[in-house]
Amino acid sequence: DSGVTQTPKHLITATGQRVTLRCSPRSGDLSVYWYQQSLDQGLQFLIQYYNGEERAKGNILERFSAQQFPDLHSELNLSSLELGDSALYFCASSQTGNGPLEQYFGPGTRLTVT
Amino acid sequence: DQQVKQNSPSLSVQEGRISILNCDYTNSMFDYFLWYKKYPAEGPTFLISISSIKDKNEDGRFTVFLNKSAKHLSLHIVPSQPGDSAVYFCAASGDNDMRFGAGTRLTVKP
Repeated sequence: DSGVTQTPKHLITATGQRVTLRCSPRSGDLSVYWYQQSLDQGLQFLIQYYNGEERAKGNILERFSAQQFPDLHSELNLSSLELGDSALYFCASSQTGNGPLEQYFGPGTRLTVT
Repeated sequence: DQQVKQNSPSLSVQEGRISILNCDYTNSMFDYFLWYKKYPAEGPTFLISISSIKDKNEDGRFTVFLNKSAKHLSLHIVPSQPGDSAVYFCAASGDNDMRFGAGTRLTVKP
């Protein structure tokens, strides 16, 4: 158990809809990262937040947005969903947002868009 | 753009032998490299890392080698055990960016 929690575990929704994925980092970790893993693909970095502020941005679509709240939990919002958005979405956390640090991953949310 | 590549999607080795997983990167700004292990239905877990100022880091059965001039790193597992069967991701970070490879599925046969 990494200490990172993600909800929900599974999500099935239709094209055009909007969903919110939630992540709670490990106790004491200030930085949260979001990743997308499509079928047989590596982990695609989406976005990083550190202590409530956006720190780095990866290949995140404009239809996707995220935020980190004062209690440090984070939400990833996916809108106007397309079939190709079906994937595993992982959240990870680390102690700080500076420099290369090991990240601790949650169990992921499996999103299926039908 | 694939800045981190794991060219072998799968690897099968016999229990007790050495497993060697390879990873190549293209971005010279990367200065820290990590290996993660992933079991089915779980998130990746950190395994071992290496800074660009080193060329080797060892932790028990796991050793990571870094060849900066070739932009290549490898993970050696000796001896391999059936419990090591998993997908292994290499990751490279630097300049506020982190990239993962596509993963190599290792199967260790008893």
